[in-house]
Amino acid sequence: GDSVTQTEGQVALSEEDFLTIHCNYSASGYPTLFWYVQYPGEGPQLLFRASRDKEKGSSRGFEATYDKGTTSFHLRKASVQESDSAVYYCALSLTGYQNFYFGKGTSLTVIP
Amino acid sequence: ETAVFQTPNYHVTQVGNEVSFNCKQTLGHDTMYWYKQDSKKLLKIMFSYNNKQLIVNETVPRRFSPQSSDKAHLNLRIKSVEPEDSAVYLCASSSDWGNYAEQFFGPGTRLTVL
Repeated sequence: GDSVTQTEGQVALSEEDFLTIHCNYSASGYPTLFWYVQYPGEGPQLLFRASRDKEKGSSRGFEATYDKGTTSFHLRKASVQESDSAVYYCALSLTGYQNFYFGKGTSLTVIP
Repeated sequence: ETAVFQTPNYHVTQVGNEVSFNCKQTLGHDTMYWYKQDSKKLLKIMFSYNNKQLIVNETVPRRFSPQSSDKAHLNLRIKSVEPEDSAVYLCASSSDWGNYAEQFFGPGTRLTVL
């Protein structure tokens, strides 16, 4: 079935470290892929999305490239800051209301 | 201010009670959703509502029911709460059901069932 897999449950980094959060998907059609970020006490908010193979999404120094060949949409940031501490969700959407799936989330803690 | 608003922020109740959570969006969107977020931060969609059409995730227990008075409001009622209902309930909205649409989330209502 359709699904999203995030392999990292928790990540702890120091400021200025490089971040990678892995996201792989399984979908019967051609999905749109999203990264959402959730700060404490808030709901998730869109970081960026991509809908075509090789399309790169980016925002606030984060980026990910849609790769249909490897069915991946890995999140990367070259230099994390303490303010990036949050939960990150990879998600996919297929045509239709209910075909929206979130990964299990990755909790990022950046130590100053 | 245009956003998704939820009340209350927190609610503590006992097993078997009925609870109701409110959600309002001022974004002019046509579609609204309810999600459940458990203690491990897992997000699961419960309901989608668009143009008076309600779509239910088949895994949602029947004690849960959404209630809508217009396209800007989608409340959530739980008829007889169980301990496993303790979670954060997130309301969201989007401009349509298309797969490119961004979902806008409210801050959530944290439910604790004693």
